[in-house]
Amino acid sequence: ELKVEQNPLFLSMQEGKNYTIYCNYSTTSDRLYWYRQDPGKSLESLFVLLSNGAVKQEGRLMASLDTKARLSTLHITAAVHDLSATYFCAGGNYGGATNKLIFGTGTLLAVQP
Amino acid sequence: EPEVTQTPSHQVTQMGQEVILRCVPISNHLYFYWYRQILGQKVEFLVSFYNNEISEKSEIFDDQFSVERPDGSNFTLKIRSTKLEDSAMYFCASSGNNNQPQHFGDGTRLSIL
Repeated sequence: ELKVEQNPLFLSMQEGKNYTIYCNYSTTSDRLYWYRQDPGKSLESLFVLLSNGAVKQEGRLMASLDTKARLSTLHITAAVHDLSATYFCAGGNYGGATNKLIFGTGTLLAVQP
Repeated sequence: EPEVTQTPSHQVTQMGQEVILRCVPISNHLYFYWYRQILGQKVEFLVSFYNNEISEKSEIFDDQFSVERPDGSNFTLKIRSTKLEDSAMYFCASSGNNNQPQHFGDGTRLSIL
């Protein structure tokens, strides 16, 4: 069964700084997703990574996937307070009629002014 | 943009009572899911539903749980006899196909007293 681990669990950073959140998974995952969750809110899809070497960028966030290392990263460039949220990675496998996501533990990001 | 809608937003129920959580997935989506998130923890898969039947369920989804798509638009999760440990945020999600990210509703916070 696929297991997904994230680190760090909590990240406090200053505005303007760069940092990376890591997502490791235990077995083959056909695709890797990144979601953002604000407190008490739903999960917002950020990125879908479908193949080895995939890199996607949106604003100050960039996600990448290395299927050989079973590692995805979410890089934050020049953080701003609005990025404060919990970030989850999730993996999944094509399985016919199912498409369940296995979520990581989440990284709570707090960007300090 | 189309959304997944869930009702109610908050449900308070006595232990042992039945609850039904309701979801309206995005209209042209074919895959439907329920996940739960215990406060402060990661998101856990409960069940996936495709072509009018359950395609996969987790160990959490025991005999007390059931899902239904009664009328082609609603997708419901029923817990027959609630327990204290069922207290959590329950998210409904839908997707059009296996390549697309799952779109999540805002969740129902279930509190069992």
